Amino acid sequence: DAGVTQSPTHLIKTRGQQVTLRCSPKSGHDTVSWYQQALGQGPQFIFQYYEEEERQRGNFPDRFSGHQFPNYSSELNVNALLLGDSALYLCASSFDRDEQYFGPGTRLTVT
Amino acid sequence: RKEVEQDPGPFNVPEGATVAFNCTYSNSASQSFFWYRQDCRKEPKLLMSVYSSGNEDGRFTAQLNRASQYISLLIRDSKLSDSATYLCVVNIMYYGTASKLTFGTGTRLQVTL
Repeated sequence: DAGVTQSPTHLIKTRGQQVTLRCSPKSGHDTVSWYQQALGQGPQFIFQYYEEEERQRGNFPDRFSGHQFPNYSSELNVNALLLGDSALYLCASSFDRDEQYFGPGTRLTVT
Repeated sequence: RKEVEQDPGPFNVPEGATVAFNCTYSNSASQSFFWYRQDCRKEPKLLMSVYSSGNEDGRFTAQLNRASQYISLLIRDSKLSDSATYLCVVNIMYYGTASKLTFGTGTRLQVTL
């Protein structure tokens, strides 16, 4: 049984560019949450998707947007990248509001 | 004030020692509680849920005090493999459908020979 998968593993982008990160949830899970983890900090909640809708959002600007597909997979899009967006981006899946399980993350570097 | 506060450590302990981590949270609407473990440059992994009655999983014991908004994790007989960062996490559920995990910054544990 595959766990949560994310792609790509690593990504290097330039300031001002746009990026799309992808996540496939664990089998049987219908809810996907995205988190940003800066070095030395705990993960910060970006948003959560359920039934293809964003149902809760953290304190992140509109440059961060997402999508959930009918197969429950999800994308995180970040526009107009800033140096401060460099971080580990984590996807977590759950069944409804149960315990969340994390994927290996995408490490984004903005230069 | 941070929503979830932890001592960042590091806690350096010898193998076999008992070590305790504490965490406080500020939002009284928090409804469920967890400890996650995170190894360097890896994703957080769920260690255990925390219940008001306290719960134990092998060498790990977690306690929750809702009145004091305080969570603890006790590790007995520490192993080298326990070296990691331990993240205290609270879950707030919204409007009956959404939920949001809030993480502390983590407490780093280093177990030595």
